[in-house]
Amino acid sequence: QVQLQESGPGLVKPSETLSLTCTVSGDSVITGLYYWSWIRQSPGKGLEWIGYIYYSGSTQYNPSLKSRITMSVDTSKNQFSLNLSSVTAADTAVYYCARLGAQGPRFKWFDPWGQGTLVTVSS
Amino acid sequence: DIQMTQSPSSLSASVGDRVTITCRASQSISIYLNWYQQKPGKAPKLLIFAASSLQSGVPPRFSGSGSGTDFTLTISTLQPEDFATYYCQQSYSTPPYNFGQGTKVEIK
Repeated sequence: QVQLQESGPGLVKPSETLSLTCTVSGDSVITGLYYWSWIRQSPGKGLEWIGYIYYSGSTQYNPSLKSRITMSVDTSKNQFSLNLSSVTAADTAVYYCARLGAQGPRFKWFDPWGQGTLVTVSS
Repeated sequence: DIQMTQSPSSLSASVGDRVTITCRASQSISIYLNWYQQKPGKAPKLLIFAASSLQSGVPPRFSGSGSGTDFTLTISTLQPEDFATYYCQQSYSTPPYNFGQGTKVEIK
């Protein structure tokens, strides 16, 4: 059974960098069949895709956040990470990691998801 | 970007009711449409992929249909555990992988 678990600080100061890690168990990030993704959900709001990373290190980011995002993958630890720089209160959200499965170039879906971690941006 | 619009934003229903949720894309997305269920305090869970394919382990009372711009998620006989928020998500034109704003199914 594949499981994903987010970890990282729950409180980040404005203008600093939010850093989260997702640890994958029951699957390998180097499988090559999946893309490893981050999604966030602001309090009381909907879901916003942040981006994904492939085991090779190639990435795709949401254009609305692209200038502030860096993602990386650590195959030795079976983890992938998110850095979001210059955060503001608008970045306060529950951050989820998820596996993006694909069948062909356009059939893609997020499954499974981590339980999520709340990150609050506040001084 | 392709925008996804769900309707209604919320609905009240009783156990045993048939429930239908609609998702409309701002342009044609063929059948590249997925549905998720989210319960309070939990992560979303994949219900249906490719518009109508039921994810393994999901009860058959859930079904999806549609293509192009208009899609529906139907719960044939609402169960107590189905009270949740449902989201659609397109994968036709990316990035980004946009979600609908959600439909909350509440107890009547």
